[in-house]
Amino acid sequence: NAGVTQTPKFQVLKTGQSMTLQCAQDMNHEYMSWYRQDPGMGLRLIHYSVGAGITDQGEVPNGYNVSRSTTEDFPLRLLSAAPSQTSVYFCASSYSSWSASYNEQFFGPGTRLTVL
Amino acid sequence: SQQGEEDPQALSIQEGENATMNCSYKTSINNLQWYRQNSGRGLVHLILIRSNEREKHSGRLRVTLDTSKKSSSLLITASRAADTASYFCATDENTGTASKLTFGTGTRLQVTL
Repeated sequence: NAGVTQTPKFQVLKTGQSMTLQCAQDMNHEYMSWYRQDPGMGLRLIHYSVGAGITDQGEVPNGYNVSRSTTEDFPLRLLSAAPSQTSVYFCASSYSSWSASYNEQFFGPGTRLTVL
Repeated sequence: SQQGEEDPQALSIQEGENATMNCSYKTSINNLQWYRQNSGRGLVHLILIRSNEREKHSGRLRVTLDTSKKSSSLLITASRAADTASYFCATDENTGTASKLTFGTGTRLQVTL
């Protein structure tokens, strides 16, 4: 099992550009989520999904879109990048859809994004 | 909003010593989890403690939970240089459909030889 994979590892964007951060898991996990990590802020939840076709907003959803067409993939889209979106982005998954807190979260290695 | 808050923000100890870090939270929880993050890597799950549990052990890790004080502590015994990492607590915020995990700002642990 590859676990949770994220691509790319690094990305530099100019303000206003769009891009998609990819996340995939091969563990047949129902629950997937995206976090951003900023210095001194811990991890903040952007969006999450409890299964294919179902997504919901987290703590900081503005400027980001997600979709979940398959169990395996959960891409995060930045429609018009802003410098405030400079951060490290982590994707995570867990087995059960009904409660993230009852289950170990498996994290990907992260994508370091810089917006100029 | 950040629910779990770790204390101290940074901790430096020598190999062989014990390391204790604390997490406080504001609202009632179902579970609390601890994660480790090595520099430049993703988070790795360490231990989960349920609200009806007071103490849990896993190898050199001991976690306690005091729901009356809304706090938890993570003790790493006989620390090693490889324990150098940031440690985060995560608590749940029940939304009804699925819980969201809320992470604290973390404790940076440095273990020196």
